[in-house]
Amino acid sequence: ETGVTQTPRHLVMGMTNKKSLKCEQHLGHNAMYWYKQSAKKPLELMFVYNFKEQTENNSVPSRFSPECPNSSHLFLHLHTLQPEDSALYLCASSQEWGWGNFQETQYFGPGTRLLVL
Amino acid sequence: GNSVTQMEGPVTLSEEAFLTINCTYTATGYPSLFWYVQYPGEGLQLLLKATKADDKGSNKGFEATYRKETTSFHLEKGSVQVSDSAVYFCALSEGGAQKLVFGQGTRLTINP
Repeated sequence: ETGVTQTPRHLVMGMTNKKSLKCEQHLGHNAMYWYKQSAKKPLELMFVYNFKEQTENNSVPSRFSPECPNSSHLFLHLHTLQPEDSALYLCASSQEWGWGNFQETQYFGPGTRLLVL
Repeated sequence: GNSVTQMEGPVTLSEEAFLTINCTYTATGYPSLFWYVQYPGEGLQLLLKATKADDKGSNKGFEATYRKETTSFHLEKGSVQVSDSAVYFCALSEGGAQKLVFGQGTRLTINP
């Protein structure tokens, strides 16, 4: 148990659906991340939030919309996705150690496996 | 940009065999290097890390040495167990502690 939970664990959606992925961390961290893990491709960083503020958007299409209401919760809202968006979506968190610097170790959740039909 | 290249899998070994998973990187500056492991149905867990040249990271019998001259961070274990079956990811920190660049992962299967 890494202290980062994700729901749902599996999701099937049509291209016209709207759904949301949820991540919650119980570690007291103040940075949270979304990654995309596609088959046979390296993990891709999508978004970074520090103290609830988005600090990184790695050229992610607007059909993915993140939300971070507080330092413990992170959402990824999905709408009008494409089949190529099918992947494992991983959430992670890390701790700030001072002066706006963050520890390099990130703690990952188990992921949500998404299938877009 | 920075990148990480791992040996292609899958890798299949017998229990108690010696393991090496190769990892090389391309980076400007002096990144920290990591090995993460992903057990079936779980998220990634940090296995070990090294923050500067010649550092050796170790954990659970696994070791990796930060080799700046060969830009490598190969993962080794002297005697693998069935429970080591997982996907292993090499990664580096890029431009600050929050940007991790991952390799494509190597699936390891250990047979009893």
